[in-house]
Amino acid sequence: SQQGEEDPQALSIQEGENATMNCSYKTSINNLQWYRQNSGRGLVHLILIRSNEREKHSGRLRVTLDTSKKSSSLLITASRAADTASYFCATPETGGFKTIFGAGTRLFVKA
Amino acid sequence: DAGVTQSPTHLIKTRGQHVTLRCSPISGHKSVSWYQQVLGQGPQFIFQYYEKEERGRGNFPDRFSARQFPNYSSELNVNALLLGDSALYLCASSAAGGTAEFFGPGTRLTVL
Repeated sequence: SQQGEEDPQALSIQEGENATMNCSYKTSINNLQWYRQNSGRGLVHLILIRSNEREKHSGRLRVTLDTSKKSSSLLITASRAADTASYFCATPETGGFKTIFGAGTRLFVKA
Repeated sequence: DAGVTQSPTHLIKTRGQHVTLRCSPISGHKSVSWYQQVLGQGPQFIFQYYEKEERGRGNFPDRFSARQFPNYSSELNVNALLLGDSALYLCASSAAGGTAEFFGPGTRLTVL
C-alpha cells in the first residue's frame, strides 16, 4: 500500500545546526505534504509540494521532491530549540481521499 | 480566523462505554477527516466526510462511526470501547478532499 516512510526515526542536533529528514513513498502522487507535531498535539501543516515541483522554500524550511526516486526531503536550517517536534510526511491516497502518514521523524534540538 | 476546533481536549472512559468526539472545521471548509494516532506512530485515517456524505473509510471496525452536520461540523462516535482505543483523535478539515488538510489540536482519549 502507498505509505510515506521517514528516515531517520530520530535525530538529535545542536541549536544552529541544520536538520535533514527524508521521506520515501511507494506509488505515484499528486502532491506531498510535511507536517510538524509538538508533544502529541495537533499537526501543523508546513508545506505542500506538487508532483511537478522539485523544490519549495518557506522561511527556514526547504523541501525537495524527486518523483523518479519517490522521495522527498525536509531541511530545517539554523535549527532552534523550538523546532523540537515530530515531523511527518504525508501523501494523498491514489484514487482516494485519505491522507497517508509515515511514522515520523522525532527531532531534538539541544540548546 | 479560527482554526479547526475539537472537544473535549481530554477524556477518560472505561471499557465498554461509548464516546462522542466533536469537531468544527475551518470556516468555508466542507471536508472533514478523522484520524487516530497511537503513541509513537503516525495518524491513521478513520473517515472522511464531504458535504455530509461519507467519502472514505479506513480499516476500523464498525464500532467507529461518524457523521457530518449541515454546518459541516462533525462527530466521531466509538462504541464498546476497548483499551486499544486509547489514542489521540485528530480532526482535519480541507476545502475539498485531496487538498491540504488542516488539523485541530486533537482529543486525547484514555480507556481504562
